[in-house]
Amino acid sequence: DIVMTQSPLSLPVNPGEAASISCRASQSLLHDNGNNYMDWYLQKPGQSPQLLIYLGSNRASGVPDRFSGSGSGTDFTLKISRVEAEDVGFYYCLQALQPPYTFGQGTKLEIK
Amino acid sequence: VQLVESGGGLVQPGRSLRLSCAASGSAFADSAMHWVRQTPGKGLEWVSGITWNSGIIAYADSVRGRFTTSRDNARNSLYLQMDSLRAEDTALYYCVKVRAPTGIAGMDVWGRGTTVTVSS
Repeated sequence: DIVMTQSPLSLPVNPGEAASISCRASQSLLHDNGNNYMDWYLQKPGQSPQLLIYLGSNRASGVPDRFSGSGSGTDFTLKISRVEAEDVGFYYCLQALQPPYTFGQGTKLEIK
Repeated sequence: VQLVESGGGLVQPGRSLRLSCAASGSAFADSAMHWVRQTPGKGLEWVSGITWNSGIIAYADSVRGRFTTSRDNARNSLYLQMDSLRAEDTALYYCVKVRAPTGIAGMDVWGRGTTVTVSS
C-alpha cells in the first residue's frame, strides 16, 4: 500500500500570512499519462470534506485562487497564499493512483 | 449533484447493514462513486469504489470479503452491503462522487454521511 505522510500535523497561522502543507508518498504518484495522482481536501469544522486540488495542481471549481498545489512524483505541497478565517479545518492529501487509495493523517490549520 | 446517505444505525457485531446513497442530477451515471469512512476524532479511510458501469469494484483490505458495493444507475443510487460487522467498522460513512467515470481523482461531491455504530 502507498503510505502518505503529511507535515506538519498542526499549523497555527496569522490571518493574511502564507501557509504550506507537505505530503510525501511512499512511491511515485506520477502516472505514465503525465498526471500526478494526488488530491487535496479540506474538512471544515462540522462539515464533510471538500475537494480543493485534484491531479496535483488542478484547482476544483469554486476554490479560491489563493489555494495552489504543486509537486511531482513523491513530494507535494499545498500552499495558501493568504490565510483567511474560513480556511480553518483539517487538510488531507490523498493518493489517487491505485487502490487501496490512502489519505494522509491530516493537518489541522488554525488561526492564531 | 447532491448525495444523501441513509441506512446507518446501531447494530450488533456479526450482523449486517445496508447503506444507500441517493443522488440527484444526471451526472451520477457518468461518474465513479466511492464510500469513505471517518472514525470519531480520526482521519479519513477509503472503503470501496465502483466505476460508472460497475465494471470495476475495489475494496480496502479491511472490508474485502465482508462488504459489497453496487449501484443502480437507473435509480441514481449507490449501495454498500455490510456483513459480518465488527466494532472497528464503527464510523461515519460518506458517499462520494468522482468527477470522472473511473478512478478516484477528484472526489467533487460528498454526502453528509450516515453513522454506523457496531456494538453489543
